[in-house]
Amino acid sequence: AQSVTQLGSHVSVSEGALVLLRCNYSSSVPPYLFWYVQYPNQGLQLLLKYTTGATLVKGINGFEAEFKKSETSFHLTKPSAHMSDAAEYFCAVSGETSGSRLTFGEGTQLTVNP
Amino acid sequence: GAVVSQHPSRVICKSGTSVKIECRSLDFQATTMFWYRQFPKQSLMLMATSNEGSKATYEQGVEKDKFLINHASLTLSTLTVTSAHPEDSSFYICSAPSSGSREQYFGPGTRLTVT
Repeated sequence: AQSVTQLGSHVSVSEGALVLLRCNYSSSVPPYLFWYVQYPNQGLQLLLKYTTGATLVKGINGFEAEFKKSETSFHLTKPSAHMSDAAEYFCAVSGETSGSRLTFGEGTQLTVNP
Repeated sequence: GAVVSQHPSRVICKSGTSVKIECRSLDFQATTMFWYRQFPKQSLMLMATSNEGSKATYEQGVEKDKFLINHASLTLSTLTVTSAHPEDSSFYICSAPSSGSREQYFGPGTRLTVT
């Protein structure tokens, strides 16, 4: 079965500081992994994804994530936080087969302080 | 890239009435679509899997008679909230899988408020 754990429901950083949002997964098959961002009263926006190949993936808005199989992790990072990064972030893992559902983590609320 | 739309984006209805939400895959066909519900400050909760031409599969604890799902074509799934009550107020999101892939495309969501 697939599962996702996001460590830290709330993360607060200063503007310009490193952003690190943690995600660990469990999957019975080689995973596809996703990070989504959700701004208030809006839908999900795909930040980045890992399917196969290069384990360091770059996404939009300066975010990147590294797939570490040995640690079953897919942490999201950004070198320098911007005020506009304040939002809810969700990590998700794919289902076992094509066409199956995603499983989401509980989400991490990122606050950026001036 | 593939696009999934939802209509309406926001709806306010009175308690006891029914509301229909549409989910469309605009440039691809989807034999399966997923319906999620999201309460404030919470993650997405899968409600049901919509299957074209057959009955939907509901997650445990979701009332199938209250949340009617119809997947009438390869590009359209509808969720009807019947006899809505204030506790049904939520953000409803649909998704459709990419063909032959384990990725999903998400609609923009529908904010339902029941007064």
